[in-house]
Amino acid sequence: DAGVIQSPRHEVTEMGQEVTLRCKPISGHDYLFWYRQTMMRGLELLIYFNNNVPIDDSGMPEDRFSAKMPNASFSTLKIQPSEPRDSAVYFCASSSHGKNIQYFGAGTRLSVL
Amino acid sequence: KQEVTQIPAALSVPEGENLVLNCSFTDSAIYNLQWFRQDPGKGLTSLLLIQSSQREQTSGRLNASLDKSSGRSTLYIAASQPGDSATYLCAVFRTSYDKVIFGPGTSLSVIP
Repeated sequence: DAGVIQSPRHEVTEMGQEVTLRCKPISGHDYLFWYRQTMMRGLELLIYFNNNVPIDDSGMPEDRFSAKMPNASFSTLKIQPSEPRDSAVYFCASSSHGKNIQYFGAGTRLSVL
Repeated sequence: KQEVTQIPAALSVPEGENLVLNCSFTDSAIYNLQWFRQDPGKGLTSLLLIQSSQREQTSGRLNASLDKSSGRSTLYIAASQPGDSATYLCAVFRTSYDKVIFGPGTSLSVIP
């Protein structure tokens, strides 16, 4: 398996634009997690899914953020409209049979100008 | 509210030295604790997971211990190598279905 695949690796956009980050989890994994990492706040869990259903989205910072998982092999994290303070590295991770031993993607580095 | 801290924030050691990284958490009611490694520009890689009922876990040159009563975990790296240079993060799960809380990490540099 190729592991968790995220795209794009880097995204530069202007304030107010819509940004969509994509994630393909490891085949067979039933949990998917979205994290955000910044120097100031460290690594924070934004939302996680189990069997494509959002379980806990209390980490999503604002209504500008939304996440979907239309099927077991694909998830998106959308920011609309984007703001400079959204600049961070966004990670996707997946796991099997629970939240332990999570496998992380390489991340998407987002810069909002 | 669970808070996780790690000291030191950065560490530089000569190759071959044994070293200890520290992780502290404020709420001892944890489900498990996990140590991760993060290389620059990369995602996190799970190193060791300690269940709340366990005292330690070992993998190769790595040994992680857990003392719930004192709210502490240590990651011991034996005979450090330049390839061990990375940021090491600990993460705490309060329950099996709760949020994970990550520490800020310790940046390790092993000098050849």
